[in-house]
Amino acid sequence: GAGVSQSPSNKVTEKGKDVELRCDPISGHTALYWYRQSLGQGLEFLIYFQGNSAPDKSGLPSDRFSAERTGGSVSTLTIQRTQQEDSAVYLCASSLRVAGSSYNEQFFGPGTRLTVL
Amino acid sequence: GENVEQHPSTLSVQEGDSAVIKCTYSDSASNYFPWYKQELGKGPQLIIDIRSNVGEKKDQRIAVTLNKTAKHFSLHITETQPEDSAVYFCAATGFQKLVFGTGTRLLVSP
Repeated sequence: GAGVSQSPSNKVTEKGKDVELRCDPISGHTALYWYRQSLGQGLEFLIYFQGNSAPDKSGLPSDRFSAERTGGSVSTLTIQRTQQEDSAVYLCASSLRVAGSSYNEQFFGPGTRLTVL
Repeated sequence: GENVEQHPSTLSVQEGDSAVIKCTYSDSASNYFPWYKQELGKGPQLIIDIRSNVGEKKDQRIAVTLNKTAKHFSLHITETQPEDSAVYFCAATGFQKLVFGTGTRLLVSP
């Protein structure tokens, strides 16, 4: 079946411009996550959506970052007024929330490589 | 919040040798510990996971051990093959939100 897809795969932008990154989760997955992976680094949690609950935005590094999840499916991560330090791979993951369980395998997309010049 | 440390950052082995990657975590409430493998240009993929009520789990050449008292867990790969070369991440979670280690780059030489 189809996995998590992300678009674009690569994005080059100029400092100060806004960018939008898209994530299509696995159909039926109620949880969606965004992570940032800087070169040679681990995965930094950004934001988490679960069903109709308010998102957990605790990982967003600044108010230039925001994300939406429309209709409980597709999500868009928006970075306004991009800075060079925003250059990284942005990964999206989705998982199926199992009632009564805290365990969740997260399925990752291939990521969007963002380069801010 | 949870903090996960991972060692070593790089690991080079000869084909057929064993490889061990170790992680420690800080939050005693964490109860799920997955390991992900990330190949170049791809997203991480789950290879094995362990829950807090289990001390060891095996899947063919891969095994994970968990010591809740010491708050550390390890990944063991036996009979390594060149296709095992990748970056491996450990993670820990109390509820839904995963905290990842910084990764181990494993290189298996033929």
